[in-house]
Amino acid sequence: SQTIHQWPATLVQPVGSPLSLECTVEGTSNPNLYWYRQAAGRGLQLLFYSVGIGQISSEVPQNLSASRPQDRQFILSSKKLLLSDSGFYLCAWSGRRGLGSPLHFGNGTRLTVT
Amino acid sequence: KQEVTQIPAALSVPEGENLVLNCSFTDSAIYNLQWFRQDPGKGLTSLLLIQSSQREQTSGRLNASLDKSSGRSTLYIAASQPGDSATYLCAVRLDAGNMLTFGGGTRLMVKP
Repeated sequence: SQTIHQWPATLVQPVGSPLSLECTVEGTSNPNLYWYRQAAGRGLQLLFYSVGIGQISSEVPQNLSASRPQDRQFILSSKKLLLSDSGFYLCAWSGRRGLGSPLHFGNGTRLTVT
Repeated sequence: KQEVTQIPAALSVPEGENLVLNCSFTDSAIYNLQWFRQDPGKGLTSLLLIQSSQREQTSGRLNASLDKSSGRSTLYIAASQPGDSATYLCAVRLDAGNMLTFGGGTRLMVKP
């Protein structure tokens, strides 16, 4: 069966520090991968998605970036964190079936920027 | 631009009640709709996926319906239990590109 792992579960970082959140998927190949952010009172916002290695699409302008160095690995990064980057970050994957595969989420990373 | 609305934002019911959660979307040309459950501080768990050609999907005590033409979906929970307490989110996909637009969620509390 497929599983998705995200780490760390929680993170407290000072303003201006770098960020690296990692997500890996097991039990499937060639998945679509996504990074979402869930901020209090603002719902789920799609940040990045990837349909293959090295292929990243950004949905919103920000000081975050994403990379996909391997088929089942998706990394969210920042060179300098802002206070507004605080939130709950969720990685997700979906298959490539033509009928629009369901989205499956990881357990998330709670990021607090101080 | 697709907008997804969930009403009510919060709901509290006694254990055993049957209940309905609502989801509406502005663009009826959707590819499919997915219902999720989110427990506090956790990720989202997929509950049901309804393709645009389907009218409903069932899983245990959950039944989700879809009325594309009116831009609405409902999630019916039968015989609610305290363990059903969570936030329920719906999300719609406009095309096969696998990008979803989420509603704001309904926070459900089932009291024992």
